Formats: sequence, structure tokens, C-alpha cells
Amino acid sequence: AQSVTQLDSHVSVSEGTPVLLRCNYSSSYSPSLFWYVQHPNKGLQLLLKYTSAATLVKGINGFEAEFKKSETSFHLTKPSAHMSDAAEYFCVVSDPAGFQKLVFGTGTRLLVSP
Amino acid sequence: ETGVTQSPTHLIKTRGQQVTLRCSSQSGHNTVSWYQQALGQGPQFIFQYYREEENGRGNFPPRFSGLQFPNYSSELNVNALELDDSALYLCASSFDQTGREQYFGPGTRLTVT
Repeated sequence: AQSVTQLDSHVSVSEGTPVLLRCNYSSSYSPSLFWYVQHPNKGLQLLLKYTSAATLVKGINGFEAEFKKSETSFHLTKPSAHMSDAAEYFCVVSDPAGFQKLVFGTGTRLLVSP
Repeated sequence: ETGVTQSPTHLIKTRGQQVTLRCSSQSGHNTVSWYQQALGQGPQFIFQYYREEENGRGNFPPRFSGLQFPNYSSELNVNALELDDSALYLCASSFDQTGREQYFGPGTRLTVT
């Protein structure tokens, strides 16, 4: 079965500094991986996706992620944090069990201080 | 905004009651999935409907059931509510059952007392 592990439950950064949110995956297939963001009292928004094309994936709002098969990792980065980036981030793997089921990590809360 | 809408926004029910949650898919999408997100956790897959048929289910008991209508809107029904059913319920629509991108609605917050 597919799974993801988010290595940090909370990450705190200062505005203008880099962001790194870590995710490791486990998959017996060539995985489809995603990062979603959830702002308070809002639904989930897709930040970016990896589906076996380029290993460096660019998403919205300046975020990007690199797929590293040798390390089974899919870390999310952003060069410079903005106050509006404060939210819950979920690393997600797609389980293609005849249909597309999304399997979510436990989430990382990103805190951005002025 | 994804174009996926859910109603109601919030709901309070008593243990043992039944509840129906509704979802309207993004235009052009024929597949809908439902997820349960307990407080402080990631969403858990409940089931998926494709062209009005359930074609996949997670580890949820039969008292969780659903419907998908010809216009691809959907309902999630939960019978015999338990306190642990308190959660944010999210629906997500996709282009088809193999669609890797799922677009989420804002969710319905269910509180069971």
C-alpha cells in the first residue's frame, strides 16, 4: 500500500527566509505525488503534482518540490516565505487501486513570523 | 476557488441521528470522492463514485453511504451517528476515475453531541 510520512508536525520560519517541508513516500508503483495546502476554515488547494515527468516540479505561489527516487523523498521548498504561506500542508500519494484514492500524510503546520 | 461546492457549511447533530451532506462537482467532472478529516489529522478516504456507481471504498462501516446523481452531484449519508463522526467532511471531484487531480470543496463541519 502507498503511504507518505511528513517528518515535521510544525515548522516555524521568519518572513523572507526559505521554507522546507519534508515528506518521504512508500510506494510499490511509480507514484503520483502531490502537495496540498489548507488554510484555516478553507478547503484543500493543490500546490503541485508529480506524475513521472520532470523530477523538479514547480507549483503555485513560488513553491516547488523535487522527486528523489533514491531517497524516496518529495520535499516542498520555497525560497522566501510570506506571511500568507502560514497554513497546513499535506503531502499526498495517489493509490491507483483501480481508481484514484488519495492517501494523505498527517500534515505540517507552517508558522511564519514577521 | 475550485468550483466544487458543499452544503451545509456547519451542522450539529445528536448521537444516533442520521445526516446527509451534499456536494456539487466542478463542471465536466464525473467522479466524486469523499474524505473525512478529524481534528488535527489528514483526510481519510471514505469512498468514490464514478458515473453513479461506487467504485472504491476505504475503511469505513456500511453506515456511511453515498449517492451520485445524473448531474454528478453527490450525497454522503451517515446513519446512527457516533461522537467520533465529528469531523470535516470534504468532497473532491475529478475528470474521471483515473484522474490524478482532485479538486476539493470547502467542506462541511459536522459536530455530533
